[in-house]
Amino acid sequence: AQTVTQSQPEMSVQEAETVTLSCTYDTSESDYYLFWYKQPPSRQMILVIRQEAYKQQNATENRFSVNFQKAAKSFSLKISDSQLGDAAMYFCAYMGGSNYQLIWGAGTKLIIKP
Amino acid sequence: SQTIHQWPATLVQPVGSPLSLECTVEGTSNPNLYWYRQAAGRGLQLLFYSVGIGQISSEVPQNLSASRPQDRQFILSSKKLLLSDSGFYLCALEQPNYGYTFGSGTRLTVV
Repeated sequence: AQTVTQSQPEMSVQEAETVTLSCTYDTSESDYYLFWYKQPPSRQMILVIRQEAYKQQNATENRFSVNFQKAAKSFSLKISDSQLGDAAMYFCAYMGGSNYQLIWGAGTKLIIKP
Repeated sequence: SQTIHQWPATLVQPVGSPLSLECTVEGTSNPNLYWYRQAAGRGLQLLFYSVGIGQISSEVPQNLSASRPQDRQFILSSKKLLLSDSGFYLCALEQPNYGYTFGSGTRLTVV
């Protein structure tokens, strides 16, 4: 069965600095998708970035980028120039094979220090 | 574009009362829809998913049920709420090869 692990329950970073959130996963599939979702205090779940496993190039969205290491089954999120609005829970998620259900990590709480 | 609407945003209900949370989608037909629950500070727990009208799969046996009376409507219900039903409920729309789009959520407090 597929699993997603976020080993950092909480991370903090100084405003304007860079922070990396870790995510590892386990799967026997070769084709799948990986996601990072952000959940601010409003609790709205917002898609931050997605990565298709067959693509070698790491996905980027403005200040957000991923380091996708397929062989190591690692999918970390890098946030550059951290802003106060980045404070939220961040969830890593996997979707693969014929099953379109998302497998979720436990989440990482990101604190931004002004 | 595909959009998802969920209501109400907040609900306070007494123990033993019924529950009905509604989720509707626009801009798509025959979507796969999901109900999740999230306890405070925790991850998401999949409750139900539906691949079509009248088709419901339950992931966790509990006091809740779901129905899909129309293609773009997904309802979460309970006949008698328990204190343990309190939580944050999210409806999600699956977009193949893209991911999920979530509703704005319902904060349910059972008192």
